[in-house]
Formats: sequence, structure tokens, C-alpha cells
Amino acid sequence: AQKVTQAQTEISVVEKEDVTLDCVYETRDTTYYLFWYKQPPSGELVFLIRRNSFDEQNEISGRYSWNFQKSTSSFNFTITASQVVDSAVYFCALSEAGGAQKLVFGQGTRLTINP
Amino acid sequence: KAGVTQTPRYLIKTRGQQVTLSCSPISGHRSVSWYQQTPGQGLQFLFEYFSETQRNKGNFPGRFSGRQFSNSRSEMNVSTLELGDSALYLCASSEPLSEQFFGPGTRLTVL
Repeated sequence: AQKVTQAQTEISVVEKEDVTLDCVYETRDTTYYLFWYKQPPSGELVFLIRRNSFDEQNEISGRYSWNFQKSTSSFNFTITASQVVDSAVYFCALSEAGGAQKLVFGQGTRLTINP
Repeated sequence: KAGVTQTPRYLIKTRGQQVTLSCSPISGHRSVSWYQQTPGQGLQFLFEYFSETQRNKGNFPGRFSGRQFSNSRSEMNVSTLELGDSALYLCASSEPLSEQFFGPGTRLTVL
């Protein structure tokens, strides 16, 4: 069975601090996809990134970066120089290659950036 | 391109009633998935439709059903509503084997 664990329920930091959101996953599949989504107060899930299991390269997009390590089954997300607009609930998710449209989500991490 | 749209945005129903939610995917997307979000259970997959066929189903009772039309628009139906069905229902669309884009959701309250 697939499982995603986001151990940090809530994180609160002051603006401009760096913050890392942890994600650990479990799957028996050798081919799978990992995702991060952001859910602002409006409720809509906003897609941030997708990685496949064969691509362990870290990725950077502006202030966002992702660290994928198959050895530890982790896919962590770092926001550098956080801003108040980054405040949201962040979800890590997993899907298997065969049923690629069935996402298994973690419980989410509520991130609050204080001015 | 316009994003995923869901109607209605808010619904209030009473126990025992049934409800139908609608989702219009991004133009060109043929896969539509539905998720339920509650404070207790988090985000849970309901089902996925592709080319009018249910391709994946989550672990929900038969009261939850859906369908997809030839224009890829999808509806989900919940019959005999229970208090525990109160949730945010999210629809997502995608191209095959690609990331899903979500709509704003329908917030259902069952009284």
C-alpha cells in the first residue's frame, strides 16, 4: 500500500527565514510519481512540482527547491527567504505509474509566515 | 486556457437527500478525478474518469458515484447523504500521465 507522511502538522516562521517541509513516502512500486501542492485559504490546490522515481535530480524554481532522495524515501521542499504570501497548507502526494491519476496525499503541513 | 471549474461552490443539504456536483475540466483534458477533503481524513481519492469510463476507484461506499460525458465534463452524485459527507469536494483534470490541476472545490454541508 502507498502512504505519504508529513510529520510536521504546523510550522510558523518569521518572514525571510528559510523553511523546509518534510515528506516521507512508502510504496512497493519501482516507478512512481511524487508531487507537491499548495492550498491557500481559498481552497484550490495549486500544483507546484512533479518528479518521477527515476529522476533524483534536485530542482530549484525561484525561492522553491526540492530534494528527492530514494535512499531515505523522502521528497522534501524548501522555501528560501519565505514571504507572507507563502502561508498556506502544503501537501505532498504520491501516485503509482499504472494509476497515475490516483493521488495519495499526506496530511499536509500548515505553514504560517509571520511579518 | 480556463482552469477547472466546479459548480456549485457551496451546497447545504439535509441528511437523506442526494446531491450532484459538476466539474468542467481544462479544455483538452480527458481525465477527471474527484477527491474528498475533510479535517479528519484529509484528502482522499474518490474516482477517476477517462473517456467516459471509470478507470480508478477509491475506498468509498456505493452511495458515491460519478460519470463523465463525451465532452469530458464530469458529475459526481452522493445519495442518502450522511452528516459525515460534509466536506470539500475537489475535482482535478489532467492530460494522460500528467499532473492534475484542481478546481476551487464544492463545499458541501449536510445538516
